[in-house]
Amino acid sequence: DTAVSQTPKYLVTQMGNDKSIKCEQNLGHDTMYWYKQDSKKFLKIMFSYNNKELIINETVPNRFSPKSPDKAHLNLHINSLELGDSAVYFCASSQEGVSAEAFFGQGTRLTVV
Amino acid sequence: AQRVTQPEKLLSVFKGAPVELKCNYSYSGSPELFWYVQYSRQRLQLLLRHISRESIKGFTADLNKGETSFHLKKPFAQEEDSAMYYCALSGTSYGKLTFGQGTILTVHP
Repeated sequence: DTAVSQTPKYLVTQMGNDKSIKCEQNLGHDTMYWYKQDSKKFLKIMFSYNNKELIINETVPNRFSPKSPDKAHLNLHINSLELGDSAVYFCASSQEGVSAEAFFGQGTRLTVV
Repeated sequence: AQRVTQPEKLLSVFKGAPVELKCNYSYSGSPELFWYVQYSRQRLQLLLRHISRESIKGFTADLNKGETSFHLKKPFAQEEDSAMYYCALSGTSYGKLTFGQGTILTVHP
C-alpha cells in the first residue's frame, strides 16, 4: 500500500545507453513531478504533470522525456545517458493547490559509468 | 524567480540543546513555505508547513515576511531528530517546490 512507488531503486548503466524509470501513485492525486538530487544533495524540479499534461519543464535536456499514460503514472525516459546524469531521481505527487503536501517516492539512484 | 537559501550545510548539537535551522527565501508574491525531512533510509516527507501553524515532533517554524525567513526551531533536540532537512517554497497552484540546499542535522548523545 505504498503511496508513491518508483522502480528500479538502483540503476547502473553505461554511457550512451537509454533507460527508463517508472513511477506510480495510488493517492488519487492529479499532479506528479520528477525531481533530481545531485551529489551535493541539492533537489531541483525537472518536470510536472497535471492530469497527464506537461505543466513544468525546467530547462531539462531533450534527452529526458517524461511520459504520463494516465494520471497515476509518470515515467521518465533518458536517452544517450551521460556521466553527469548520475544522481538520485525522485518522483512525487500532490493534490492541486499551492499549499498541497508533496508525497515522494523512495528515489532511484542512477549511476552512469 | 523563486529562491530558497539554507546557509548551514551541517549543524551539530547535543541532545537536549536548542536547535535552529535557518531558511531564507526570495519570492515576489505570497509564498507557501514548508520544511521537509529525510531520515536515514527513509523517503523525503513533509515535516510542517507555515499555513498549518502547528508543532510537529516539537518543531515549529514562523514565517517572517519582513526578514523573508522561515527558520525551523526546537527547544530540546533529540537523537532521533538527526536527518537532512530541506526548506521549500511553493508559489504556484501546481505545487512546484523550490528547495534549499538542505541542512544535515546531527544530534549527539
